[in-house]
Amino acid sequence: DQQVKQNSPSLSVQEGRISILNCDYTNSMFDYFLWYKKYPAEGPTFLISISSIKDKNEDGRFTVFLNKSAKHLSLHIVPSQPGDSAVYFCAALNLLNGKLTFGQGTILTVHP
Amino acid sequence: NAGVTQTPKFQVLKTGQSMTLQCAQDMNHNSMYWYRQDPGMGLRLIYYSASEGTTDKGEVPNGYNVSRLNKREFSLRLESAAPSQTSVYFCASSGRNNSPLHFGNGTRLTVT
Repeated sequence: DQQVKQNSPSLSVQEGRISILNCDYTNSMFDYFLWYKKYPAEGPTFLISISSIKDKNEDGRFTVFLNKSAKHLSLHIVPSQPGDSAVYFCAALNLLNGKLTFGQGTILTVHP
Repeated sequence: NAGVTQTPKFQVLKTGQSMTLQCAQDMNHNSMYWYRQDPGMGLRLIYYSASEGTTDKGEVPNGYNVSRLNKREFSLRLESAAPSQTSVYFCASSGRNNSPLHFGNGTRLTVT
């Protein structure tokens, strides 16, 4: 039972354009949603998060949007840069048990 | 300040062999986690430790044991390795319940 789903295994974008990565979840009890970025042979690194009581959080080129009624969140990167090429994981946190549940990941490739 | 350190980086085992994956963090974090990453599956939680002296099962605990040796160290043991345990294993830690996880660089394990 996959509680956090990233249905797009990969995304290819031109440098300077917007990248939109999507994530769906099934459990209404999640308190926070996070995005992690992973380069090959490295561990995931935290990128940006959003509380379940918010609908938008922005940090520089990265913005996360949360639509609670649709149980959907998205990460927007604008403008996209070649260095953004990585695997992006969506994750959901349940504060009651402290568990962080990850999606399958989306491989983003930004072409120069 | 090394963050989260995992050893070894690579390991090849024969079916039935045992081994322990080591993890240490120097950030004085209370919580520590073990995840495995498999293609198309994202990161799945094996075991976690909310504080020194406590451990709890995650999504996929079968075939594994853990020890929270002290606040710094959290080890993962495979008593009798199976090919299904071929994976990349990540250790992570966090300071507070809703703070982002810090990951190590992973251990790539192959069981033949």
